[in-house]
Amino acid sequence: DAGVIQSPRHEVTEMGQEVTLRCKPISGHDYLFWYRQTMMRGLELLIYFNNNVPIDDSGMPEDRFSAKMPNASFSTLKIQPSEPRDSAVYFCASSPRGRLYEQYFGPGTRLTVT
Amino acid sequence: AQSVTQPDIHITVSEGASLELRCNYSYGATPYLFWYVQSPGQGLQLLLKYFSGDTLVQGIKGFEAEFKRSQSSFNLRKPSVHWSDAAEYFCAVGAHLGGGSNYKLTFGKGTLLTVNP
Repeated sequence: DAGVIQSPRHEVTEMGQEVTLRCKPISGHDYLFWYRQTMMRGLELLIYFNNNVPIDDSGMPEDRFSAKMPNASFSTLKIQPSEPRDSAVYFCASSPRGRLYEQYFGPGTRLTVT
Repeated sequence: AQSVTQPDIHITVSEGASLELRCNYSYGATPYLFWYVQSPGQGLQLLLKYFSGDTLVQGIKGFEAEFKRSQSSFNLRKPSVHWSDAAEYFCAVGAHLGGGSNYKLTFGKGTLLTVNP
């Protein structure tokens, strides 16, 4: 089975540009999570969905960040406008119904904002 | 709120030596505890988990961890380390917040493991 798929793997953009990160969870998983990893703050949960519905977005840093899950097989995390402090590795993870703690992570998107 | 502390930022061991990575958590109730491993350029992979029951849990790749409530610890161990175990290891605690379906998995800052030949 394919694991969690994220694209792009690397993104370099200029400050002020819009950035869209994409995630395809494992088929059949009900939960989808977006995390951000930095040296300073470690791994932080940004938002998670259950059956395509956002459950907790309290980790989203500010209004520049938004996430959507239009269907069970696709989610996006958008940053508009981007800033240098948004540079990080962004992970998507998914987990099966009834086992939301067993999270399967994608390879991540390394975002660099110059 | 729950929190996780991994006291060791970086550990170096020789191949074949035993390994113990420390993890301490803070949480008001019985926690769900996890260890994940992250190889360079990769996402996190679940090594093992503790929900309840036997306090010594076995995981993949020959790892085990022991839950000690009195010490609020969940240390990861391996009797003989292989060069392929070099990676970063994350301890995590999971909890439902305020009941219902609102849930959070909180990670420690990680311990980087270097294995010398």
